[in-house]
Amino acid sequence: GAVVSQHPSWVICKSGTSVKIECRSLDFQATTMFWYRQFPKQSLMLMATSNEGSKATYEQGVEKDKFLINHASLTLSTLTVTSAHPEDSSFYICSASSGGVSNEQFFGPGTRLTVL
Amino acid sequence: QKEVEQNSGPLSVPEGAIASLNCTYSDRGSQSFFWYRQYSGKSPELIMFIYSNGDKEDGRFTAQLNKASQYVSLLIRDSQPSDSATYLCAPLGQNFVFGPGTRLSVLP
Repeated sequence: GAVVSQHPSWVICKSGTSVKIECRSLDFQATTMFWYRQFPKQSLMLMATSNEGSKATYEQGVEKDKFLINHASLTLSTLTVTSAHPEDSSFYICSASSGGVSNEQFFGPGTRLTVL
Repeated sequence: QKEVEQNSGPLSVPEGAIASLNCTYSDRGSQSFFWYRQYSGKSPELIMFIYSNGDKEDGRFTAQLNKASQYVSLLIRDSQPSDSATYLCAPLGQNFVFGPGTRLSVLP
């Protein structure tokens, strides 16, 4: 199957700093990338959907000025958590889709963010 | 009504038994249906997808779809302890929507 990578896999930062997470599709071109957040023992929560070259579409309740998403190429999307606070500590997962008939999403391994 | 509903579980089955996971959805426009498996602390991985009414089999897994009833299920035959995970149902209509997941525990 298609491979999606994320970097870093684990990050610890101080409150007030910004953290950038990269999501790459390694062997296919991703027309659409998705960013999810998952708190312990809870389900996936879609944060935003991004298409290459256009602005991301954010889900209701997600602050677009706090969670900056850039999808500059068909293989790379970044999520920047600006001025991170302890409540932003979570598991952030990206997924990528190439479209096509089945249109399945392939997930990255996730990034665990801890804000002190 | 929630867009996608699943029994949160945990669903416990003995090793070797059939595990049956169910999902109902509200968007009648949904065309494709995906089942993902998520181990604790890991990201989801695709198990299988189905887009036609009826059954689709892949190894020990069988997906069943009934669009009229807006119902999709996943059967796992000969369940193994390694199947213990959370199973997420995801219909694809206008948007991709994940269900809350059902936690499956296969007891040795």
